[in-house]
Amino acid sequence: EVQLLESGGGLVQPGGSLRLPCAASGFTFSSYAMSWVRQAPGKGLEWVATISGSGDGTFYADSVKGRFTISRDNSKNTLYLQMNSLRAEDTAVYYCAKGVDSSWPYYFDYWGQGTPVTVSS
Amino acid sequence: QSVLTQPPSVSGAPGQRVTISCTGSSSNIGAGHEVHWYQQLPGTAPKLLIYGNNNRPSGVPDRFSGSKSGTSASLAITGLQAEDEADYYCQSYDISLSVWVFGGGTKLTVL
Repeated sequence: EVQLLESGGGLVQPGGSLRLPCAASGFTFSSYAMSWVRQAPGKGLEWVATISGSGDGTFYADSVKGRFTISRDNSKNTLYLQMNSLRAEDTAVYYCAKGVDSSWPYYFDYWGQGTPVTVSS
Repeated sequence: QSVLTQPPSVSGAPGQRVTISCTGSSSNIGAGHEVHWYQQLPGTAPKLLIYGNNNRPSGVPDRFSGSKSGTSASLAITGLQAEDEADYYCQSYDISLSVWVFGGGTKLTVL
């Protein structure tokens, strides 16, 4: 059974940093691209970042480029999102999502339960 | 404003059929990129409902179906049930923006 478990969310001040891990199980982690998708309170889904299965390809939404870094440790079956220079508009539930190919997600067939991030002073 | 446009809300009585539209452009749906649909029940994570325009993952009832034509796609739900009340999102890829894009979401109310 595929399981994705995010953690690391919480309250952080504007300009602060946070690192979100996502522990994966139930599939060959290194064989699939992984992504982060967020959902602001009462809003829709927004793609944030994607990393290829090998980790050598990364893609970012313009809204987070230069501030967020997606990475993965295939030996630990864990995906990460390092978030720096956080802004109020980054407040959202952050979901870890599995793609269906090693280099390109195409779509997201499994999602974690999400971890909430609140940026506020 | 989302790249893919969905109606904010739709509604129907139990047993009826409803459709949810997803309108894109020549840089996403019209460029040949497939459309996928997700169901988000209240307070839960999104769940894949339809992939590759019209394919259902294992476990998704055949009451749910997808279609695509030109720069638009649609999700149809037949035999509406109370448990179908949720938010529905379409998703594709935009080659001009080089991003994965979602529709703004449609809230389905079962009357």
